[in-house]
Amino acid sequence: QQPVQSPQAVILREGEDAVINCSSSKALYSVHWYRQKHGEAPVFLMILLTGGEQKGHDKISASFNEKKQQSSLYLTASQLSYSGTYFCGTELRGGADGLTFGKGTHLIIQP
Amino acid sequence: DAEITQSPRHKITETGRQVTLACHQTWNHNNMFWYRQDLGHGLRLIHYSYGVQDTNKGEVSDGYSVSRSNTEDLPLTLESAASSQTSVYFCASSESSRSARTEAFFGQGTRLTVV
Repeated sequence: QQPVQSPQAVILREGEDAVINCSSSKALYSVHWYRQKHGEAPVFLMILLTGGEQKGHDKISASFNEKKQQSSLYLTASQLSYSGTYFCGTELRGGADGLTFGKGTHLIIQP
Repeated sequence: DAEITQSPRHKITETGRQVTLACHQTWNHNNMFWYRQDLGHGLRLIHYSYGVQDTNKGEVSDGYSVSRSNTEDLPLTLESAASSQTSVYFCASSESSRSARTEAFFGQGTRLTVV
């Protein structure tokens, strides 16, 4: 079952902040975040694991609310290079269904 | 350098033909995944494998099959190609054993057109 991402699209000015949300109706084992530029493969940004462990990127942060099964990706002081489509990927507790991605959030950063 | 490669990068085939897309990784990763990407649907999981001889169906597995005879390869076969299978296909791999708790690396994708 695909996680639900919001918003579907965001347009920002350079330097502004953005938050992208990802939620699941089922208990999660891990949440991944990836960014994809047009015509390219998705690239890893961050993993959040149950128990609070977090691995990822210096200038991008994320949180995971285990009670709500929700994760948020925070992009602060956005740069033009942040433009792209952001995907969250989730693995359900029990590991029974692989790594499933949401429909993506399109982020456009304008100068 | 270790990598993950997909071939071919572009393929045009006719309806009803059997097609196989190749995915090869040199990281010795246990996990491999196949996704299709369509506008408005994001990345949808087709099949995945947590190791040799292990294969599992994803959310959109109908009309597709995979086999894992070694660690490096997970070929994706379309048994009888349909126009609805026109898409961009991505293969990915990750290290963890029987879970997805580590970074996944994606191949560059295969654009498949079924006419």
